Amino acid sequence: EIVLTQSPVTLSLSPGERATLTCKASQSVSSDYLAWYQQRAGQAPRLLIYGSSRRASGIPDRFSGSGSGTDFSLTISRLEPEDFAVYYCQFSDNSVWTFGPGTKVEIK
Amino acid sequence: EAQLVESGGGLVKPGGSLRLSCEVSGFIFRSFTMAWVRQAPGKGLEWVSSITSGGTYKYYSDSMKGRISTSRDNAENSLFLHVDSLTDADTAVYYCARGDSGWPAFDLWGQGTLVTVSS
Repeated sequence: EIVLTQSPVTLSLSPGERATLTCKASQSVSSDYLAWYQQRAGQAPRLLIYGSSRRASGIPDRFSGSGSGTDFSLTISRLEPEDFAVYYCQFSDNSVWTFGPGTKVEIK
Repeated sequence: EAQLVESGGGLVKPGGSLRLSCEVSGFIFRSFTMAWVRQAPGKGLEWVSSITSGGTYKYYSDSMKGRISTSRDNAENSLFLHVDSLTDADTAVYYCARGDSGWPAFDLWGQGTLVTVSS
């Protein structure tokens, strides 16, 4: 069973700053199977990145994903006010889907 | 516009059961894997189950296996989740989600339906 850990738990930044979130898998996984979601307060999650680095439809290019093996990251190049939210990574091998515990990006 | 609308949530007594529904519009439902994901109050996302486009293959989380059953009606563009033996740990918002074609991610989500288990 793949377990995902995310760090930091909370990231306190100001608008315009760069955010880097990490997701670590308990064992090596294919980068095709790693996705990132954003969940704003009171809203449903939204897919940001799939296949580790591919932006979903309509996602601004300030969001980027990278990584391989056990270590993956989501970078927001310049935080906009609407980017303050919780971010989850997710792994799936098409028979089990696992979410990380989330990173909250809050306004400093 | 593609849309998922969940229903069937509400207050349920411990030990009871419920059936959630997800009505789909705006895309070819029968072509997509679908899933249920839940979120307890103040907690993270937890995958519950997935079902392939034709309904042949069904996958369940270990934490809920044995108590849940997922199904779909492609003629009616609807997805269902049946949960038995509810406990307060099942209190959560239950989301319906669409599997991205070709990639193991969820590219479309409903707004969720709240299930509260309490006596």
